[in-house]
Amino acid sequence: EPEVTQTPSHQVTQMGQEVILRCVPISNHLYFYWYRQILGQKVEFLVSFYNNEISEKSEIFDDQFSVERPDGSNFTLKIRSTKLEDSAMYFCASSTGTGGVEQYFGPGTRLTVT
Amino acid sequence: GESVGLHLPTLSVQEGDNSIINCAYSNSASDYFIWYKQESGKGPQFIIDIRSNMDKRQGQRVTVLLNKTVKHLSLQIAATQPGDSAVYFCAEGYAGGTSYGKLTFGQGTILTVHP
Repeated sequence: EPEVTQTPSHQVTQMGQEVILRCVPISNHLYFYWYRQILGQKVEFLVSFYNNEISEKSEIFDDQFSVERPDGSNFTLKIRSTKLEDSAMYFCASSTGTGGVEQYFGPGTRLTVT
Repeated sequence: GESVGLHLPTLSVQEGDNSIINCAYSNSASDYFIWYKQESGKGPQFIIDIRSNMDKRQGQRVTVLLNKTVKHLSLQIAATQPGDSAVYFCAEGYAGGTSYGKLTFGQGTILTVHP
């Protein structure tokens, strides 16, 4: 069964450093998303991406964040200058966007900013 | 503002019992709702969805009920098994305009199934 994959599973970085979180969505999906989950809290929407551009972004997704689909398979989230409060699980998700609403989530990347 | 919340943060049941997990939502414009299961250390796993033009949908051992009058959503799990132990989230979405796909999640309910 096809699945969303994410790398790395755990990323530790120092405050102020740049990080890139990587995702490989399900191959025939057209919509891509990033969510985050701070420990013990609910999953929060960050950004949606379709047709090589951002469809929608939340208030969390400020100028420090960017997304990119550099090729036909990868989808990345970059945090330019990490802050302590960026520590969270980051989930990538994808959906077909053609009638089906279900989003399939990856296993997540745990980002720890020290 | 828009929000999705859960009535019960924890639910403990015996194996074989039926479980009911509840969720309240506030955005009447949402046109679909999804239940996700999240096991420790894993991403949310899709369980079942329901469109706003439906009031009931059944899957394998699960049933989702939608009451738009009171903005309430529930997930019923029949014959609950220890493998069902997880955190369950409801999420709402709106498939229109530029908001296609954005999901707003609730806080989650911890389901514990005792053998």
